[in-house]
Amino acid sequence: QVQLVQSGAEVKKPGASVKVSCKASGYTFTDYFLQWVRQAPGQGLEWMGWINPKSGDTNSPQKFQNRVTMTRDTSISTAYMELRRLRSDDTAIYYCARHDYYTSTTDWGQGTLVSVSS
Amino acid sequence: EIVLTQSPATLSVSPGETATLSCRASQSVSGKLAWYQQKPGQAPRLLIYGASTRATSIPPRFSGSGSGTEFTLTISSLQAEDFAVYYCQQYSHWPPALTFGGGTKVEI
Repeated sequence: QVQLVQSGAEVKKPGASVKVSCKASGYTFTDYFLQWVRQAPGQGLEWMGWINPKSGDTNSPQKFQNRVTMTRDTSISTAYMELRRLRSDDTAIYYCARHDYYTSTTDWGQGTLVSVSS
Repeated sequence: EIVLTQSPATLSVSPGETATLSCRASQSVSGKLAWYQQKPGQAPRLLIYGASTRATSIPPRFSGSGSGTEFTLTISSLQAEDFAVYYCQQYSHWPPALTFGGGTKVEI
């Protein structure tokens, strides 16, 4: 079955960077886009961007374009999302999710809590 | 950017009743509208895609309808496990830029 397993919780100071990993299994990694979505405490879902694991192409909304980098390592079926220049309002749970053209984001990782505090 | 507006923000219902949730898009999403359920401490769970198709293992009491810019999620005969937050999401662009609605909390 499809599984997306994310790295563990992180605590960071303002101005630092964080890199979250998402290891995929149960399907061909390069056949599906991966999305990154975050959720601040008590808030809704916010789309951060996608990566095409086959080509490495990425896209993200303007809000994140200068601070987020999405990469992948196809040899280990793992995607990464790095967020730089962290602020306190980046405190959130970060999710990766497999995207299908017809069904959208069907499978989600368990989430990674990133806490930013001085 | 397509904006999704969900209403109401909170819906109070009793077990066994029917809940009707709305999602309005700022422009047509060509039927590429999904609904998710999220419970505390859990990742979102896909309920409906393509506006009206139930995802795998989703019980028939969940149904989606609508087209263009107006969509509805109906939950019939609410069970205790259905009390959660529900989000709509559009995925009409390719490559897939996503937008989520603000959510509707269904409470007892």
